[in-house]
Amino acid sequence: NAGVTQTPKFQVLKTGQSMTLQCAQDMNHNSMYWYRQDPGMGLRLIYYSASEGTTDKGEVPNGYNVSRLNKREFSLRLESAAPSQTSVYFCASSDSDRASPLHFGNGTRLTVT
Amino acid sequence: EDQVTQSPEALRLQEGESSSLNCSYTVSGLRGLFWYRQDPGKGPEFLFTLYSAGEEKEKERLKATLTKKESFLHITAPKPEDSATYLCAVQPSNTGKLIFGQGTTLQVKP
Repeated sequence: NAGVTQTPKFQVLKTGQSMTLQCAQDMNHNSMYWYRQDPGMGLRLIYYSASEGTTDKGEVPNGYNVSRLNKREFSLRLESAAPSQTSVYFCASSDSDRASPLHFGNGTRLTVT
Repeated sequence: EDQVTQSPEALRLQEGESSSLNCSYTVSGLRGLFWYRQDPGKGPEFLFTLYSAGEEKEKERLKATLTKKESFLHITAPKPEDSATYLCAVQPSNTGKLIFGQGTTLQVKP
């Protein structure tokens, strides 16, 4: 049982380049999330999708876009990467957005030079 | 403003030395409080959900408790394999968004 799968695991970008982080879950969950984790800042919500066809901004959405492609997949796009976006990105899913635990992938480590 | 604060930031214990981690929260209505464990290079792993004051959950050497203002994660007779960062998160009743604390990094020495 794969759970939440994120690709790629590591990525190095130059300032101004774009890329898409991919996330897929096989638990038939309705809600999906993108977080970033930085030292001293904890996990911060970028965007989330309560159900297929809906997306909403989290705490730090600037510089990012998302697409809920279908129930399984939720992608995060950086249109023009900046050094401030160097971080570890986690995708998560839950059965619903009402007090259901989140299940996390193992992250994408992104460095922007 | 909804807020979660965990203490201490770091904790070193000897194997077998019991202790507690604290998660204080301020939220406009609590839908749920979650505890996670995170190992280096991995995503957070779900441990417990607590819904109301007075509730307790146990798993092996871990026991989570909840009051109206804080939650404790009690670790009884810890082993080196309990070394990890423990994260607390709250979900306010008016939103689906979780708010995470910054975590407590636990090191258990043999």
